[in-house]
Amino acid sequence: AQTVTQSQPEMSVQEAETVTLSCTYDTSESDYYLFWYKQPPSRQMILVIRQEAYKQQNATENRFSVNFQKAAKSFSLKISDSQLGDAAMYFCAYRRFYNQGGKLIFGQGTELSVKP
Amino acid sequence: DAGVTQSPTHLIKTRGQQVTLRCSPISGHKSVSWYQQVLGQGPQFIFQYYEKEERGRGNFPDRFSARQFPNYSSELNVNALLLGDSALYLCASSLATNEKLFFGSGTQLSVL
Repeated sequence: AQTVTQSQPEMSVQEAETVTLSCTYDTSESDYYLFWYKQPPSRQMILVIRQEAYKQQNATENRFSVNFQKAAKSFSLKISDSQLGDAAMYFCAYRRFYNQGGKLIFGQGTELSVKP
Repeated sequence: DAGVTQSPTHLIKTRGQQVTLRCSPISGHKSVSWYQQVLGQGPQFIFQYYEKEERGRGNFPDRFSARQFPNYSSELNVNALLLGDSALYLCASSLATNEKLFFGSGTQLSVL
């Protein structure tokens, strides 16, 4: 069975600085997807970034980028030029490539606070 | 276009009761998934429905059931509520089973 682990329950960053959130996962499969979701106080899960395991190039979306280390089964999220609106819960998630029923497996989450 | 809408936003029930949660997907989306998020944890997959058929089920007891209607809206039913069922229930829709998920803001269920 696949598992996702986020070992940082809380992180803090100064506005305009850079922060990295960690995620590790366990799977025996070679093809899969990895995601970072943001959950603000509104509770709606918002997709931040997606990585396909078969792609060696790390995904980037504006200020958000990932460091995908397939052999180490590590998938960290880097937020550059942090903004007050980035404060939220961040969840790392895994999905099988040949998806069986739309199942995402989430980590426990990291609560990010941004200090002005 | 409206996003994924869930109703009600909050609900309070007592142990042993039954509850029905509702979800309307984004227009054109044919797949609906349900997740349970207990306080302090990540969401856990409950069900996925596509074209009115169950396509996936998570590790939840038979007290949990769901269905999808011809207009692709969905209901999640939970019978014989337990205190441990208190959670945020999230609905997500997608065009098809492997497409990007769009989440609603959830229904907060409290079981007393």
